[in-house]
Amino acid sequence: RKEVEQDPGPFNVPEGATVAFNCTYSNSASQSFFWYRQDCRKEPKLLMSVYSSGNEDGRFTAQLNRASQYISLLIRDSKLSDSATYLCVVKTDSWGKLQFGAGTQVVVTP
Amino acid sequence: DAGVIQSPRHEVTEMGQEVTLRCKPISGHDYLFWYRQTMMRGLELLIYFNNNVPIDDSGMPEDRFSAKMPNASFSTLKIQPSEPRDSAVYFCASSLRGNGYNEQFFGPGTRLTVL
Repeated sequence: RKEVEQDPGPFNVPEGATVAFNCTYSNSASQSFFWYRQDCRKEPKLLMSVYSSGNEDGRFTAQLNRASQYISLLIRDSKLSDSATYLCVVKTDSWGKLQFGAGTQVVVTP
Repeated sequence: DAGVIQSPRHEVTEMGQEVTLRCKPISGHDYLFWYRQTMMRGLELLIYFNNNVPIDDSGMPEDRFSAKMPNASFSTLKIQPSEPRDSAVYFCASSLRGNGYNEQFFGPGTRLTVL
């Protein structure tokens, strides 16, 4: 079983719509959680951290459910520029080692 | 400020050849990570260093792979001999440990093709 699992998608979203997707993690001792964004043929970049109480960053909302061991990302009012692969990332040790999910592809269409 | 720098950006080589990938982390960062990304396996951590010391190399696929970090501003990942299944994008990332928050900054990657 993979440590971090995501629905690969693609999620095809009309511009202006809302899209949400989850990822699950297997290590209950995981300490920190993040969403990274990766554009086609580019490097991953941090989108946002995920806090226990949930957090927003503009049109993006992240939630963490430790009991069920899943993380979610919601994108409101989708823009064409939101088209990317979103990587769910879990920090599993105190050294900073990160486990990356395989990513969820989002395609925003006009 | 310069980000993580990797070279070369693209490498095409023949099976059996030695390949050396290079990375310059962000100045002041004390962690350096090497990842490999393929369509089949996603992003895999190969090895990471803290203050130039290898901490975890359990992701290195086999003895053909080796990594060094001779100083705080330079690291190499070497494959010898290379095989077609090594074809992938290799990313280097660096981070600064502080407050338990470790955003990793990735370089642009080296796209390796082994024929």
